[in-house]
Amino acid sequence: DTAVSQTPKYLVTQMGNDKSIKCEQNLGHDTMYWYKQDSKKFLKIMFSYNNKELIINETVPNRFSPKSPDKAHLNLHINSLELGDSAVYFCASSQDGRLSYEQYFGPGTRLTVT
Amino acid sequence: AQKITQTQPGMFVQEKEAVTLDCTYDTSDPSYGLFWYKQPSSGEMIFLIYQGSYDQQNATEGRYSLNFQKARKSANLVISASQLGDSAMYFCAMSAHGSGNTGKLIFGQGTTLQVKP
Repeated sequence: DTAVSQTPKYLVTQMGNDKSIKCEQNLGHDTMYWYKQDSKKFLKIMFSYNNKELIINETVPNRFSPKSPDKAHLNLHINSLELGDSAVYFCASSQDGRLSYEQYFGPGTRLTVT
Repeated sequence: AQKITQTQPGMFVQEKEAVTLDCTYDTSDPSYGLFWYKQPSSGEMIFLIYQGSYDQQNATEGRYSLNFQKARKSANLVISASQLGDSAMYFCAMSAHGSGNTGKLIFGQGTTLQVKP
């Protein structure tokens, strides 16, 4: 049983295209996150949703739009992809984002923009 | 501002020996959590251990222990009896719960650990 799953695992696309990454968790957690890991392996929060409500929106370009249809799903849509968007994107979930519960990460989606 | 610092970009350890990975943090929030994650070459992020700021005792999970020194703002990870499978990148992270933080993790730069046979 995969606790946090992401699709696709790899995504190769050209500049200017629009793409989506899907995330699902079956842990019954209330809070979900998107993190970006750059080429130097640095991880940074992008967004967080708690029970379908956006609670964290770091300084991310408007081209990135998260959507949470229900508390088990958090998708990431990226418009007009740029070379600098190439990275690994991780989805994560935690029991309650208001407290210090561990976050469980998905396997990551490696996005390559050419 | 909250910050996590890992000053060791790379570490080597002999198999079966213990190793300490350093982590210092900075926050003005009285309530926070400290985490360690392992990222093997396959890329997934694996949760290892958690320490709460109000916890009196150091956290332990199997071969992992967290050496928490609150006054020095350090949260070092100790891996005992290293195994070849411990070779990976290790990230220290913090979540704080002041206004607006809502549990996001702030990560350090990571330390690459290589275990030698």
